[in-house]
Amino acid sequence: NAGVTQTPKFQVLKTGQSMTLQCAQDMNHEYMSWYRQDPGMGLRLIHYSVGAGITDQGEVPNGYNVSRSTTEDFPLRLLSAAPSQTSVYFCASSLVNTDTQYFGPGTRLTVL
Amino acid sequence: GESVGLHLPTLSVQEGDNSIINCAYSNSASDYFIWYKQESGKGPQFIIDIRSNMDKRQGQRVTVLLNKTVKHLSLQIAATQPGDSAVYFCADPGGLAAGGTSYGKLTFGQGTILTVHP
Repeated sequence: NAGVTQTPKFQVLKTGQSMTLQCAQDMNHEYMSWYRQDPGMGLRLIHYSVGAGITDQGEVPNGYNVSRSTTEDFPLRLLSAAPSQTSVYFCASSLVNTDTQYFGPGTRLTVL
Repeated sequence: GESVGLHLPTLSVQEGDNSIINCAYSNSASDYFIWYKQESGKGPQFIIDIRSNMDKRQGQRVTVLLNKTVKHLSLQIAATQPGDSAVYFCADPGGLAAGGTSYGKLTFGQGTILTVHP
């Protein structure tokens, strides 16, 4: 199994540009989540999904959209990037009724 | 609001010493905690977890202690090695009843940077 994969690893955007961060898992996990990590801070939850077709907001959802059309994929969309969205983004997944999340390697995003 | 926090942001130890990383939580309903290790440039990696019906849980070279009275938990690493150098986070699924699930939501503490000197 590849586990949780994320693309791209690095991205630089200009303010106002849009992009999609990709996340995929091959472990047949129902739960998937997106977190952001800012320097010197822990991870903060952006959006999460408990299964295909079901998503909900986390602690810091503003400026981000998600969708879950398949069990495997959970893309995160930035519609109009802002410098405040400069961060490292982590995708995670877990089995139903467990709390042990498996994290991807992260995407480092810089918005100029 | 509810939070999960850590007492010390950095910890430096000599190789072979034991390390103790502390975490305080504020939600008295929290009943499950997870410790993660994050190496530089990588995503967090599960280390060990503990439920509130336990005071202590041991893994390979790691032990987690939970004191529900003072809402405190600690991660002990025995015979610390240079490969243990990382940021360590405690995480809380959010005060769910026993047998519940966070549905993919975790609240992370700020993290403790552990540096192991050879």
